[in-house]
Amino acid sequence: DSGVTQTPKHLITATGQRVTLRCSPRSGDLSVYWYQQSLDQGLQFLIQYYNGEERAKGNILERFSAQQFPDLHSELNLSSLELGDSALYFCASSAKVAGELFFGEGSRLTVL
Amino acid sequence: GENVEQHPSTLSVQEGDSAVIKCTYSDSASNYFPWYKQELGKRPQLIIDIRSNVGEKKDQRIAVTLNKTAKHFSLHITETQPEDSAVYFCAANPNTGNQFYFGTGTSLTVIP
Repeated sequence: DSGVTQTPKHLITATGQRVTLRCSPRSGDLSVYWYQQSLDQGLQFLIQYYNGEERAKGNILERFSAQQFPDLHSELNLSSLELGDSALYFCASSAKVAGELFFGEGSRLTVL
Repeated sequence: GENVEQHPSTLSVQEGDSAVIKCTYSDSASNYFPWYKQELGKRPQLIIDIRSNVGEKKDQRIAVTLNKTAKHFSLHITETQPEDSAVYFCAANPNTGNQFYFGTGTSLTVIP
C-alpha cells in the first residue's frame, strides 16, 4: 500500500460525458501528479500541483482540468469524453522535489 | 524540455541470466534518475534510483549506472527470476522543476 488513494477504481461511461477522478496523497505529501496510461503505453504526464498551486503541465487536453484543494486532495476532471480517453489514470504524490513518486492504484476509465 | 529514450521496448531472458535496460536523456540539468517496475495491472513502484553525484548504485540483484557525460543510465538485473517479469520505466527529473519525464517502458519477460 503506497498510501495514495484513488477513487473510483473503475469507471464506465459514454462518449460526451464528464467524469471526475479523485486522489488523496500520502499524509504530508504536498505534490500531486496525474498520469495517463493507455493500453500498452507509457506514462504520459498530465499535470502537477504543489500545495494547491499548479506547478507543471504536460500533454493535458483542454477538455481535461484538475485542481488541488486545501486539504491537498486532488481531482482530475475529464469532459466531452471520447473513445480515446479510455485509459488508466494514475495519481502520484511525493514529499519533496526530486523525491520518490508514490503511485495510487489507478482509476481505469472505459469510454463506450 | 527533457526527452528520455528507453531501449529495448521488449526483452526476453532465460531465468538466471542478466537483463540490461538503457535510457538516455537530453537535459544536462537532470539530476535524479529513478527506475519503476510495473507488474501487470498494478501501480508503478520504485525499485532503485540514482542521483547525479553517484556513478553506480546497487541493491541486491539490481544495479543502476549513470554516465553524466554521455547522458545515459542503465538498469542491470542479475540472476533474473520469473517474478522479475514486468514493465520497467526509467525517468529523469531536471533540477529546474519537479516534473518527472518517463521513458516509454521495457517489457521484460523471464522465461523459466
